[in-house]
Amino acid sequence: ETGVTQTPRHLVMGMTNKKSLKCEQHLGHNAMYWYKQSAKKPLELMFVYNFKEQTENNSVPSRFSPECPNSSHLFLHLHTLQPEDSALYLCASSQEGPPYYGYTFGSGTRLTVV
Amino acid sequence: DQQVKQNSPSLSVQEGRISILNCDYTNSMFDYFLWYKKYPAEGPTFLISISSIKDKNEDGRFTVFLNKSAKHLSLHIVPSQPGDSAVYFCAASESDKIIFGKGTRLHILP
Repeated sequence: ETGVTQTPRHLVMGMTNKKSLKCEQHLGHNAMYWYKQSAKKPLELMFVYNFKEQTENNSVPSRFSPECPNSSHLFLHLHTLQPEDSALYLCASSQEGPPYYGYTFGSGTRLTVV
Repeated sequence: DQQVKQNSPSLSVQEGRISILNCDYTNSMFDYFLWYKKYPAEGPTFLISISSIKDKNEDGRFTVFLNKSAKHLSLHIVPSQPGDSAVYFCAASESDKIIFGKGTRLHILP
């Protein structure tokens, strides 16, 4: 365990379903992130939260909706997804400031949209 | 356009020899560089980093070299061990954003 826990580890959903991904960290970090890892592509930053406030939305379609109720929890709500949204979704956290130690990543949720 | 490039998708190295993973970047404003290691079904884990004001950082078997004029950095692993087989991501940061390369899969051969 890295200190960042993501659930579920695997998720299969239909295009009309609504589901949520959960991320939890108890490292005392004040910034949390959602990344998307597709095959043969660089990790893509989706959302950034600093002190529970969304500071970045990297042109992500509205079918992805983040929620950060507190500095330890981050959700990604999914609805009416497309098959091309199938990917590994990684949550990360960090302490705001120079990233001398980078981010701490969770193990990811493998999402398959059918 | 990719700001962080890892042009070798895979690399095979004999156990005990040196592994050299390369990374190029285009943004001269990057002020910090990091390497991450990723095993299958796990998230990336931080390995080693280097500030843009340095040209070398060493941590045990791992050394990162930075050539700012060439916008190039490399990760050296000496000696390579079987457990080093993984995907290695190069990353660069500007303020609080990190940009990742596509990764290089390293195979350590027995």
